[in-house]
Amino acid sequence: KAGVTQTPRYLIKTRGQQVTLSCSPISGHRSVSWYQQTPGQGLQFLFEYFSETQRNKGNFPGRFSGRQFSNSRSEMNVSTLELGDSALYLCASSLAQGAGELFFGEGSRLTVL
Amino acid sequence: GENVEQHPSTLSVQEGDSAVIKCTYSDSASNYFPWYKQELGKRPQLIIDIRSNVGEKKDQRIAVTLNKTAKHFSLHITETQPEDSAVYFCAAINTGGFKTIFGAGTRLFVKA
Repeated sequence: KAGVTQTPRYLIKTRGQQVTLSCSPISGHRSVSWYQQTPGQGLQFLFEYFSETQRNKGNFPGRFSGRQFSNSRSEMNVSTLELGDSALYLCASSLAQGAGELFFGEGSRLTVL
Repeated sequence: GENVEQHPSTLSVQEGDSAVIKCTYSDSASNYFPWYKQELGKRPQLIIDIRSNVGEKKDQRIAVTLNKTAKHFSLHITETQPEDSAVYFCAAINTGGFKTIFGAGTRLFVKA
């Protein structure tokens, strides 16, 4: 069974630009969550989707948004990029909402110059 | 808001010694507590988890204990090996809230 796939793996943007990251969950998983990982800040929860509905959102500004499609694939978008948005963005899928093992992708490493 | 505090941030032990990582959570509705291990350059992976109706769970060299009254839980690794070197994250989850709150992580070094 294929794991969680995230694209692109690496990208470089400049301040003010916007970026879209993609996540394909494990087949059969309907829950997808996103996390921002920075050194010293651990894994910060961004949002969680289940059946195309955002179930919860972390404490991030409105520049961070996401969506989930009918095939459970998810995208997150960051608009008006800031230097502080440089991070590893991890996506995780699970069978159940909020109660089961999270299977993480390898992440998308975003660098904002 | 919900918060999970994790200590220590860095832990260095000699091979064969035990390692203990502690977490405290604030949301009393939390009822699921997983631990994830992230090796350098790799994705986090679940190593053990515990639910609120259980006080302790063990899997070979790793164990987790939970004290719901005090709202803290701990990861215990015995007979540590160099391959245990990684960052460990605890998490506390209110399964009705669809939100996973992770601790800041503990970087474990096991010296051979």
